[in-house]
Amino acid sequence: NAGVTQTPKFQVLKTGQSMTLQCAQDMNHNSMYWYRQDPGMGLRLIYYSASEGTTDKGEVPNGYNVSRLNKREFSLRLESAAPSQTSVYFCASRDGRNQPQHFGDGTRLSIL
Amino acid sequence: QKEVEQNSGPLSVPEGAIASLNCTYSDRGSQSFFWYRQYSGKSPELIMSIYSNGDKEDGRFTAQLNKASQYVSLLIRDSQPSDSATYLCAVSGAGSYQLTFGKGTKLSVIP
Repeated sequence: NAGVTQTPKFQVLKTGQSMTLQCAQDMNHNSMYWYRQDPGMGLRLIYYSASEGTTDKGEVPNGYNVSRLNKREFSLRLESAAPSQTSVYFCASRDGRNQPQHFGDGTRLSIL
Repeated sequence: QKEVEQNSGPLSVPEGAIASLNCTYSDRGSQSFFWYRQYSGKSPELIMSIYSNGDKEDGRFTAQLNKASQYVSLLIRDSQPSDSATYLCAVSGAGSYQLTFGKGTKLSVIP
């Protein structure tokens, strides 16, 4: 079972470059999430999509945009990367409000 | 603001002992509670879910929930070196699409 698949797994960018992180789930889950994880900061929610066609800001949305392409796919875009966005990014999905989230393997992003 | 608090550790226990991990939360309306295990360099992995007061056991793991005290805990019996990881507590509020995560407790099981 693939579960939640994130691409790429690693990426190095220069300041000012743009890129899109891809996430796809094959569990038919309604809700999808993007987090970043930094040492000592825990998991911080960037954006989420409660259902297909909706997106909402989380705790740290500045500098990011998202697209819920369809029920399976939820992408995260950095329009102009900054060194402060160096982090590990996790995508997660969830079937319902009281259900657990299931995480992808993460994307390790470095911005020079 | 909804908060989930965990002792950051590190918590060190000898192999074979019981490890006790604790979590408190601020939102009294919270309804769903989860424990995740995260190995260094890996993604969080769900190990336990609990929804009602009391204990829930799964193998060597027991989750305990006390909503009146706003407290959830995870016990790991017969701890193994392979249990060494960071354990994240996560809480979902009533009707909320979001999970609030604690910053995690790092557990080290000493052979």
